[in-house]
Amino acid sequence: AQKITQTQPGMFVQEKEAVTLDCTYDTSDPSYGLFWYKQPSSGEMIFLIYQGSYDQQNATEGRYSLNFQKARKSANLVISASQLGDSAMYFCAMWGTDFGNEKLTFGTGTRLTIIP
Amino acid sequence: DTGVSQDPRHKITKRGQNVTFRCDPISEHNRLYWYRQTLGQGPEFLTYFQNEAQLEKSRLLSDRFSAERPKGSFSTLEIQRTEQGDSAMYLCASSSRSPSSYNEQFFGPGTRLTVL
Repeated sequence: AQKITQTQPGMFVQEKEAVTLDCTYDTSDPSYGLFWYKQPSSGEMIFLIYQGSYDQQNATEGRYSLNFQKARKSANLVISASQLGDSAMYFCAMWGTDFGNEKLTFGTGTRLTIIP
Repeated sequence: DTGVSQDPRHKITKRGQNVTFRCDPISEHNRLYWYRQTLGQGPEFLTYFQNEAQLEKSRLLSDRFSAERPKGSFSTLEIQRTEQGDSAMYLCASSSRSPSSYNEQFFGPGTRLTVL
């Protein structure tokens, strides 16, 4: 079974500062992938970044980077130079191959609020 | 826009009524997922289709729930004899299997169900 843990229910960050959202995971699959999604108040899930378990380098996508520490089973999201539009719920998720069904297991999320 | 679409976006029903939701995936995607998201939680996997075949159902999917994907295109999720505990956001996602991709799941805007 797979499990995602996000221990920060909410965070308040000053605009233009960097922010780190924590995510730890547990799985017995040798091959897996880790995702971060953003969910604004409108409800849609927006893909931000992906890290594969065999990727040697940490993933980056614009202002988003993923601090992947495999031995510690952590996959923290770093947002640089935060903006007001970054205020949203953020979910960490993982998939592990299971008969070809890459269903996602999500954490409980972190509500990020950017303060002007 | 050729993203994932869901209909309706909102549904209010009385306890005991049947409801049906529709999901239209991205046209070239052969995999379709349904998730349920209750307030304050991350999405939870319900069921998965590869083309028209329903390959996995979660224990969360009681006998009152049924999902179909005729012809491997759109999918419907029906809930019979709705209960107040069924109130949630129902999210649909699609993906395609490609050697060069990491099977990112693209989410629709969701259907928010309220059972009175």
